[in-house]
Amino acid sequence: DQQVKQNSPSLSVQEGRISILNCDYTNSMFDYFLWYKKYPAEGPTFLISISSIKDKNEDGRFTVFLNKSAKHLSLHIVPSQPGDSAVYFCAVSSNTGKLIFGQGTTLQVKP
Amino acid sequence: NAGVTQTPKFQVLKTGQSMTLQCAQDMNHEYMSWYRQDPGMGLRLIHYSVGAGITDQGEVPNGYNVSRSTTEDFPLRLLSAAPSQTSVYFCASSYSGAGTEKLFFGSGTQLSVL
Repeated sequence: DQQVKQNSPSLSVQEGRISILNCDYTNSMFDYFLWYKKYPAEGPTFLISISSIKDKNEDGRFTVFLNKSAKHLSLHIVPSQPGDSAVYFCAVSSNTGKLIFGQGTTLQVKP
Repeated sequence: NAGVTQTPKFQVLKTGQSMTLQCAQDMNHEYMSWYRQDPGMGLRLIHYSVGAGITDQGEVPNGYNVSRSTTEDFPLRLLSAAPSQTSVYFCASSYSGAGTEKLFFGSGTQLSVL
């Protein structure tokens, strides 16, 4: 039973538009949330994170939103660029320190 | 900066063979871990270590063995390879393993078991 779900395996957007990637989790004990980005033939790299005491964190074109009541996390990329085309994984952690990853969403940004 | 280095990048094994995936980091991180990535399953934790001489099981440890004799190295051993172990394997490290720390990943090992 997956505790972290990314229900959209893929997403395609036009360059310059907004990309919204979603992630749902089941356990309200999770208290830290992260997004990783992965290019083909490379390892994942950290993108942005948010603590459960906040509902928004912004870093340049990337913003992560947290809705604790809905147990929902989203990543907004504005404006989207072709170089953003990659697989995006959300991850959650609890006080055990272990990260649980979602299945990933493949984003394609078309020029 | 080398970061996290994994070898080999590709490997093909026959069922029943054994092999070791190597992982080394030069960031003096205490925490090291191994993940496997499978289609539709995301990244799943195999084994992890919070320091030299200390290892523990993750979500999918069966069929794998690890040891941590130095801070820098964390090899993953497949004892008797099975087709179900066909996957992409990633080694990752962080300073202490706290859930708020970002993980640094290697570039992966693509393993096929025939």
